[in-house]
Amino acid sequence: QVQLVESGGGVVQPGGSLRLSCTASGFRFSDFGMHWVRQAPGKGLEWVTFIRYDGRITYYADSAKGRFTISRDNSKNTVYLQMNSLKTADTAAYYCAKDPKWLSGLMESWGQGTLVIVSS
Amino acid sequence: DIQMTQSPSSLSASVGDRVTITCRASQGVGNYLAWYQHKPGEIPRLLIFAASTLQSGVPSRFSGSGSGTEFTLTISSLQPDDVAVYYCQQYKSAPYAFAQGTNLEIK
Repeated sequence: QVQLVESGGGVVQPGGSLRLSCTASGFRFSDFGMHWVRQAPGKGLEWVTFIRYDGRITYYADSAKGRFTISRDNSKNTVYLQMNSLKTADTAAYYCAKDPKWLSGLMESWGQGTLVIVSS
Repeated sequence: DIQMTQSPSSLSASVGDRVTITCRASQGVGNYLAWYQHKPGEIPRLLIFAASTLQSGVPSRFSGSGSGTEFTLTISSLQPDDVAVYYCQQYKSAPYAFAQGTNLEIK
């Protein structure tokens, strides 16, 4: 059974940094791509970033380019989202999600999410 | 980048009604179109991929159709458990954009 557990959320000041983690279990982590998706309060889902199974291909939404970095450690079954230069607009619940393939663009399993609040 | 839009943004219907939500892409995405259901207090759930293929475990009252730039999600007989926000998403190319969502309520 696929399980994804996010951690690392919290309150941070504008301009600050935060690193989110998502630890996976129940499947062969190193075979699958992983996504981060966020939902700001009262807003819809926003795809943020993707990393291929081997870490060699990454994609970002325009809102994340240059500020966020996705990475993964297949030995720890964990995907990370390093967020720098945070803005109030980055306040959201951040979900990690499993791609059903090494790269399809779909999100077939989701974690419970971790809340990031950017506020002074 | 491909932009996604949905209509309507909100919808109220009665139990047993047939409900249709429309999704449009700013350029052709073939059949690389997915639908997700997000119930209040729960995590999002993949309902349909490849425009019309039901994910395992999804009730057969849900169906999807379309290709290219116009797609529809249909619930053949609305149930109380279907109250949720529904999103379409293109996965033809990154960035893998979602549309703004349709908030479905029971009358």
